[in-house]
Amino acid sequence: DQQVKQNSPSLSVQEGRISILNCDYTNSMFDYFLWYKKYPAEGPTFLISISSIKDKNEDGRFTVFLNKSAKHLSLHIVPSQPGDSAVYFCAANYFGNEKLTFGTGTRLTIIP
Amino acid sequence: ETGVTQSPTHLIKTRGQQVTLRCSSQSGHNTVSWYQQALGQGPQFIFQYYREEENGRGNFPPRFSGLQFPNYSSELNVNALELDDSALYLCASSLTGNDNSPLHFGNGTRLTVT
Repeated sequence: DQQVKQNSPSLSVQEGRISILNCDYTNSMFDYFLWYKKYPAEGPTFLISISSIKDKNEDGRFTVFLNKSAKHLSLHIVPSQPGDSAVYFCAANYFGNEKLTFGTGTRLTIIP
Repeated sequence: ETGVTQSPTHLIKTRGQQVTLRCSSQSGHNTVSWYQQALGQGPQFIFQYYREEENGRGNFPPRFSGLQFPNYSSELNVNALELDDSALYLCASSLTGNDNSPLHFGNGTRLTVT
């Protein structure tokens, strides 16, 4: 049972444009969502998070939007840079739960 | 600040053998979690250790076991290795008690079972 889904395995975006990565979840208990970025041969690196009491969180070029009614979140990167090329994982958790549930990842390629 | 370190980086074992993977948590962190990432999948939670005790377990059989030491470092042991155990094993540390403290991952150990 895939509780966190990233339906796009890959995405290519021109440098300077906006990258939008999507994530859907099914478990209504989830109240905390994170995005991780992973380069080859490295572990995932925390990027940005959002609590269910918010619908938007911004950090520099990265913005995460949460639509609780649709059980959907998205990560916007603007402007996209070549160094953003990586695999992006969406993850979810709820208070008191010790485990993160990850999606299968989206490989983002920024085209110079 | 020292990050999460894992050893070894790569390992090849034969089906039926046993393996031990090691992890040193980030300085200041008291909780260690282990994840398995199969090819093309997201990381899957194996278990978490806090105060040297298992503090939650995912859907993995008992042949997956772990330890946490007083210095918060940790080991993952897998007995009777199967071909499907081939994966990237990720260790992550965090600070329990700090609400929404994100996990900090090491670079992983790539295990190949032949």
